[in-house]
Parts: sequence; C-alpha cells; structure tokens
Amino acid sequence: QSALTQPPSASGSPGQSVTISCTGTSSDVGGYNYVSWYQQYPGKAPKLMIYEVSKRPSGVPDRFSGSKSGNTASLTVSGLQAEDEADYYCSSYAGSNNLLFGGGTKLTVL
Amino acid sequence: QVQLVESGGGVVQPGGSLRLSCVASGFTFSNYDIHWVRQTPAKGLEWVASIRFVGSPQYYGDSVKGRFTISRDNSKNTVNLQMDSLRGEDTAVYYCARPTSGWAFNHWGQGTLVTVSS
Repeated sequence: QSALTQPPSASGSPGQSVTISCTGTSSDVGGYNYVSWYQQYPGKAPKLMIYEVSKRPSGVPDRFSGSKSGNTASLTVSGLQAEDEADYYCSSYAGSNNLLFGGGTKLTVL
Repeated sequence: QVQLVESGGGVVQPGGSLRLSCVASGFTFSNYDIHWVRQTPAKGLEWVASIRFVGSPQYYGDSVKGRFTISRDNSKNTVNLQMDSLRGEDTAVYYCARPTSGWAFNHWGQGTLVTVSS
C-alpha cells in the first residue's frame, strides 16, 4: 500500500485560511472515517490535531477543522497565526489492521 | 500526566538486532493498545506495529513483517520492539504512541534514534 498523497508545501498570510489535502483511495481514506491530522515542530513528536475526520481533541483551537469528500481528506486552518507554521501529516486506517500516513506538508506563514 | 518514554536506540550494523522499550506512566496501561511509529526525513511517518491491550494479537507494517516483534508486559507498563535483520532503510526515529480512539494517537514518546550502518 502506498502512502497517502499530500502537497509538499502550503502557505498563507496571518489571518488567512489555508487548506491541506490528503488523497488516498477507496481502501483507506474513502473507506473509513478514521482520518487523523498531526502537527509537528522540528525535533518534536507529532501532536494530534484532528481525529475521525473532523473531531478535535481537547485543547486544539477551533481554528483547525477537518473534512472528507470521497477519497480526499482536508485540514483547514483558519485565522492563520505564526505559531501554526509547522509540518502537518494526515493518516488513515487502511483496513486489515494497517495504518497509512501522508508524506507531510510544510505550512509556512508568510 | 500521561508519559511514554522510549529507550534502546543506537547504532547497529546491517543484519544486526536491537530491542526498543517504551515505558508508560500516568494512565492504566493495561487498558490501551500501544503502537510504534517511525520517522525518516525522506519518507516521513510510517506505522510500524501495534499490540492489543491484552497482549495479543499483534499487527505489523509490511516493511517490517517477519523481522520485528512487538510484545508487552502489563505488570511493568512496558512495550518492547525487537528488531532483527535490520536494514539501512530501518534507520529512523522510533516513537511509541497511545491512541485516543481507534487509530488516532494523542500521546507520543519523545522518540529514540536507530541508525543502521556499517
């Protein structure tokens, strides 16, 4: 199974919104509502931002939202802030007790 | 608070073995599955293995199946990852992680670096 497809980079100005896509297949993203999104700063462990497509863990700002359409999931960051500059990874359950990650997207706040 | 602490990383020659450990605290360890996820600059994050809260079954990613073995000792709040027949492509930072639900990980360790090189 191949990794999920994310754009290598994304950017936006403070206050703007940016959306990062995560494309899979009907066997992973399209087949299950188990898509998660992680934020990672250099040298740090990933932090869960979204799970089960659109749920936010406690403490994650509501500026972060998730959605899914067909085989593509999306993470939207609204009201961009400087602290949002980080790498973002998606993941999806792929059946048969297997998990796939995306290749990661570097978000730059201009 | 929930803590996961990995250890056991280091430098090993191709074909060699290494055993990673993940010690947990701050929660009822025996109630949770535990996963290993690795990360390289080139490939990003990759799911490696998981073990159910009762100790079985275990599940493995295709790239490590037959070479890695995950186990746990609930009396010691510890999960181990025995890595055999190591290859250069196994070089990575290895994280243990605890899921919040299903396959979403809301708690991660700090990671331990494994380098496979001659």
